[in-house]
Amino acid sequence: DAKTTQPTSMDCAEGRAANLPCNHSTISGNEYVYWYRQIHSQGPQYIIHGLKNNETNEMASLIITEDRKSSTLILPHATLRDTAVYYCIVLGSYDKVIFGPGTSLSVIP
Amino acid sequence: GAVVSQHPSWVICKSGTSVKIECRSLDFQATTMFWYRQFPKQSLMLMATSNEGSKATYEQGVEKDKFLINHASLTLSTLTVTSAHPEDSSFYICSARDSSGSRTDTQYFGPGTRLTVL
Repeated sequence: DAKTTQPTSMDCAEGRAANLPCNHSTISGNEYVYWYRQIHSQGPQYIIHGLKNNETNEMASLIITEDRKSSTLILPHATLRDTAVYYCIVLGSYDKVIFGPGTSLSVIP
Repeated sequence: GAVVSQHPSWVICKSGTSVKIECRSLDFQATTMFWYRQFPKQSLMLMATSNEGSKATYEQGVEKDKFLINHASLTLSTLTVTSAHPEDSSFYICSARDSSGSRTDTQYFGPGTRLTVL
């Protein structure tokens, strides 16, 4: 069963913020929200993860709603190199990462 | 930190031969590693879970005798595709779960191995 729902594709203008939504309405209390991305012909790259608080690192910010049923990954200043498929994944401890179709983000010059 | 390497990055072999792919966690220990396969324009599909010192657990539909997995140390897992055929041509990707004791046990992925069977 798919634990997350993401839009199939999105476009973003270069230099603007890319906001990628994810719905995970059945998330349980001990499950984390993870984001990975896969640039064409490369292995997936870990971006960020969170439990209930908003998180920020050098790559992105993760905003999780108070009820934890949805989240948004924010790339503050998208570049052409951010064009990739982005995967939102819900994981409990010792779970294995199962990939859905993800969101194909195209950053446009 | 958290780097996973794979070797080789690409391989071409003849039908009927066996191919071994190595997956290493370079700067952390990984009790558990995973092997995925990805066909063109599709998402990654989990093939098996590799546990250090024990037998691998295969996903439904994956032939364990064809895809041999060995996880001999906390930093190395190998996938051997035995008697490879053209339909085994794919992008094989491994991942390793950081066993540092972190509550979240993040999985880190290797760069992938492109296998082409002629």
